[in-house]
Amino acid sequence: DTEVTQTPKHLVMGMTNKKSLKCEQHMGHRAMYWYKQKAKKPPELMFVYSYEKLSINESVPSRFSPECPNSSLLNLHLHALQPEDSALYLCASSRLDGTYEQYFGPGTRLTVT
Amino acid sequence: AQSVTQLDSHVSVSEGTPVLLRCNYSSSYSPSLFWYVQHPNKGLQLLLKYTSAATLVKGINGFEAEFKKSETSFHLTKPSAHMSDAAEYFCVVSDQSSNTGKLIFGQGTTLQVKP
Repeated sequence: DTEVTQTPKHLVMGMTNKKSLKCEQHMGHRAMYWYKQKAKKPPELMFVYSYEKLSINESVPSRFSPECPNSSLLNLHLHALQPEDSALYLCASSRLDGTYEQYFGPGTRLTVT
Repeated sequence: AQSVTQLDSHVSVSEGTPVLLRCNYSSSYSPSLFWYVQHPNKGLQLLLKYTSAATLVKGINGFEAEFKKSETSFHLTKPSAHMSDAAEYFCVVSDQSSNTGKLIFGQGTTLQVKP
């Protein structure tokens, strides 16, 4: 099973709302990633968790708050977002054995109004 | 520093004709290279990967890529395009300097398949 699941598929939120994106994998991967992707662009890395600890934060604004409750789950908490944060948010996971291929979820299409 | 350059932002082929998507890389290490495909409003799907085994790598859906160290290239090919191949394709190298699993993406190539 090489599936990464993400919920919800679509999310519309106002600038004062608080919402969360969820990601789950059952491949035993010990690294999980959040990416932001704008139209016609490659994904941009936001956060990396290795062994459930935050290992990379690519200078992401604090209105995005990641959480890794266990080795299978990854959340992204959203608060006070801006319209320019509207994008496809992708979750991925990988082993940490030197090959590093990442398996991506289908993404959450976020619209901030 | 590692980097990836996809030489064409847009490629258009007719159904049934060969596909060639070009990618050059730069790496101080023995690289791990990947091709991913993304259909509209979908996540990325791994097509194939090179990790220092055979230089000709076969992937899913009839795609293959050849690692050429002398040319620092990892071009993606398919003998006969299908309408369902129309998508965005990303050439990717792993950032092995940091041992974090971080990936470095090319800018993408849009493949159009005409009937």
